[in-house]
Amino acid sequence: EAQVTQNPRYLITVTGKKLTVTCSQNMNHEYMSWYRQDPGLGLRQIYYSMNVEVTDKGDVPEGYKVSRKEKRNFPLILESPSPNQTSLYFCASSFRLVTDTQYFGPGTRLTVL
Amino acid sequence: AQSVTQPDIHITVSEGASLELRCNYSYGATPYLFWYVQSPGQGLQLLLKYFSGDTLVQGIKGFEAEFKRSQSSFNLRKPSVHWSDAAEYFCAVGDPGGYNKLIFGAGTRLAVHP
Repeated sequence: EAQVTQNPRYLITVTGKKLTVTCSQNMNHEYMSWYRQDPGLGLRQIYYSMNVEVTDKGDVPEGYKVSRKEKRNFPLILESPSPNQTSLYFCASSFRLVTDTQYFGPGTRLTVL
Repeated sequence: AQSVTQPDIHITVSEGASLELRCNYSYGATPYLFWYVQSPGQGLQLLLKYFSGDTLVQGIKGFEAEFKRSQSSFNLRKPSVHWSDAAEYFCAVGDPGGYNKLIFGAGTRLAVHP
């Protein structure tokens, strides 16, 4: 089954404790991205990757890191999480371009205390 | 600045009634336009998209949308709403070159009364 998986689905952590949210897709997609969803703000892009070893900042990259060492994986790293990073996070992938159909993961709800 | 506006935060309709969700955009040229739906507890799913050509676009689940260049709008419609359509709906715009990023609206939450 074609899908985007994210882990964990739910995470409660404390300020400053490094964490990684994994994202994996099995569709051989080139384009992958991370979004955060906050009430009243819709989805805002954090980082995106056009292909392996090619990443770039989205609208709200501060406090986040990403890497794309393999085509299928695109982890999101929070080196020192803060309460303002409490949000719902989505990973998405598409065939090659951002305007191709985006396939979204189920989301990761992160709470930073 | 590029932006997407969904003027209605919440909409409630009765099952079987018609539906129209509004979307307006501000963009330098005619962008690519999308509607995505987010069912409770799930990720987003593409309903339909407009790139060029016929300004009335058909999508999945019986939805359609009409692009109106003069009004910078891309409103989503459905003639008869089902209870399973209760969800949050997001309008998005993208650069025709396919690069850069998608810009999403804030979303419209749809409730359906039986």
